[in-house]
Amino acid sequence: AQTVTQSQPEMSVQEAETVTLSCTYDTSESDYYLFWYKQPPSRQMILVIRQEAYKQQNATENRFSVNFQKAAKSFSLKISDSQLGDAAMYFCAYRSAETSGSRLTFGEGTQLTVNP
Amino acid sequence: DAGVIQSPRHEVTEMGQEVTLRCKPISGHNSLFWYRQTMMRGLELLIYFNNNVPIDDSGMPEDRFSAKMPNASFSTLKIQPSEPRDSAVYFCASSFRGARGYTFGSGTRLTVV
Repeated sequence: AQTVTQSQPEMSVQEAETVTLSCTYDTSESDYYLFWYKQPPSRQMILVIRQEAYKQQNATENRFSVNFQKAAKSFSLKISDSQLGDAAMYFCAYRSAETSGSRLTFGEGTQLTVNP
Repeated sequence: DAGVIQSPRHEVTEMGQEVTLRCKPISGHNSLFWYRQTMMRGLELLIYFNNNVPIDDSGMPEDRFSAKMPNASFSTLKIQPSEPRDSAVYFCASSFRGARGYTFGSGTRLTVV
């Protein structure tokens, strides 16, 4: 079974600074997808960024980018120019691409605080 | 596109009562997932459906929980009888073939007193 680990329960960053959230995962599969979801106090789960394991290029979405290290099974999220609205719980998630309609497995989450 | 629609948004019920949570997935999505979120256990998958068929219900905590998907546009999660330890946020999510991730509903916050 796949597992996802987020070793940082809490992180904080100053507004306009850069912060990196860590995620590691364990799998024996070679084809899969990785995601970062954001959950603000409204509790809505919002997809931030996705990465296909077969792609070597790291995904980027505006101020959000990932550092995907397949061999190390590491998938960190970098938030540049942090804004107050980035404050939220961030979840790393794994999904197999080898099984159609497979589940998302989530990490424990990292609570990000943005200080003005 | 209205997204994944869950109802009710909040539910407070007394222990022993039946609770039914509802979900309308995004039109065209063929997979539907029910998750439960608690502080202690994080996000847990309860059950998921592909093409309206239950694929994996190993996450359903006990026989008090049941889920149905009678058609592609509607699913229910029922708890009978409810217990205080069932208090949590229940999310429904849908997807199409997986590559693009899931779309989550706003969740139902269930409180059993």
